[in-house]
Amino acid sequence: DAKTTQPNSMESNEEEPVHLPCNHSTISGTDYIHWYRQLPSQGPEYVIHGLTSNVNNRMASLAIAEDRKSSTLILHRATLRDAAVYYCILRGTVYGGATNKLIFGTGTLLAVQP
Amino acid sequence: GAVVSQHPSWVICKSGTSVKIECRSLDFQATTMFWYRQFPKQSLMLMATSNEGSKATYEQGVEKDKFLINHASLTLSTLTVTSAHPEDSSFYICSASGTGEYGYTFGSGTRLTVV
Repeated sequence: DAKTTQPNSMESNEEEPVHLPCNHSTISGTDYIHWYRQLPSQGPEYVIHGLTSNVNNRMASLAIAEDRKSSTLILHRATLRDAAVYYCILRGTVYGGATNKLIFGTGTLLAVQP
Repeated sequence: GAVVSQHPSWVICKSGTSVKIECRSLDFQATTMFWYRQFPKQSLMLMATSNEGSKATYEQGVEKDKFLINHASLTLSTLTVTSAHPEDSSFYICSASGTGEYGYTFGSGTRLTVV
């Protein structure tokens, strides 16, 4: 499985944008970039995913480098509820009806200061 | 949106007993479910992949006779921790992927404490 590298921790102030980086230099052409987050004592929550183009949804934006070797999750206005561990995960293409497993790295612990 | 219900949310059991954890997809059919374990301040570790109607696939180092997985229907997978010991105390999380979806939905987790 291709690996991802993220900073162990980051800090942000409430109501400010947050840019969470992820390096994935060994990504293959068919790997999707997924982001999940985990609040304390809860299961992970899907945030966003993309393949080549930048993506936006109600939770966040995902900016993908042109060479796809890195990506950045953008929270436009951090709130206290965004304090969580954010995981960047590569997921291969599904073939033959199989479902690829998600392998979690260590993630980035985001602290949001009021 | 897709919802996965995991039950119980926490359980305390005596050493040597068995504990069953249920994972249900409430509004979609989950052909595949995954079971993870998470120790304090660590990341999620994949234990096994559960496919409806077939045997689970365990990750290397996970004892299949200790962690029994059953996926008898498209909406239910169970994990049974047999002969539990204190070192099995952990946070167990399931996830599911419906057909054609790229995002995975996770349960809220089960905190197991073995005393």
